[in-house]
Amino acid sequence: EDQVTQSPEALRLQEGESSSLNCSYTVSGLRGLFWYRQDPGKGPEFLFTLYSAGEEKEKERLKATLTKKESFLHITAPKPEDSATYLCAVGGNEKLTFGTGTRLTIIP
Amino acid sequence: DGGITQSPKYLFRKEGQNVTLSCEQNLNHDAMYWYRQDPGQGLRLIYYSQIVNDFQKGDIAEGYSVSREKKESFPLTVTSAQKNPTAFYLCAMGTTSGNTIYFGEGSWLTVV
Repeated sequence: EDQVTQSPEALRLQEGESSSLNCSYTVSGLRGLFWYRQDPGKGPEFLFTLYSAGEEKEKERLKATLTKKESFLHITAPKPEDSATYLCAVGGNEKLTFGTGTRLTIIP
Repeated sequence: DGGITQSPKYLFRKEGQNVTLSCEQNLNHDAMYWYRQDPGQGLRLIYYSQIVNDFQKGDIAEGYSVSREKKESFPLTVTSAQKNPTAFYLCAMGTTSGNTIYFGEGSWLTVV
């Protein structure tokens, strides 16, 4: 059974304080590792797909990396508008399995 | 404007009543999905469909039903058999199973 574990559950940072979110996974036949951002009361917004170990992708202050066992979402010099819940998911043979998310709060 | 649309955004129903949530997409994607989201839990898959007139149960299908009569539409019915229906329901679309999926804005269902 595919499993995804995200840590920490919640993270509070000062504006400009860089950090990383972790996503550990086990999956039979990885077809992709996905990161989403979710604002309260909204549907998840797609950020990145990573397909193989060593791959990296960037978007503004976010960078996602992938190893064979985990993925990191690095956030550099965050701003208050980066506050959200970040979801990680793995794509197996038929469907995506999601973690419970990291709730990120950036304090001005 | 292309994308995926869920309706209604908020829905209140009395216990014992069936309710249907709408999901429509206009990007010609083959795969469509329904997820349920509860506080402190990850998204859990209810049903998914990869082709018209065919669908598969997800991890928590009991108490739910779906249909896929048209490629662009994948409605979800929450039946009276669902023991704890109050939740945030998310519809998603994608090209094929296991690949990137894109979500709608969600529907809040409250059963009183």
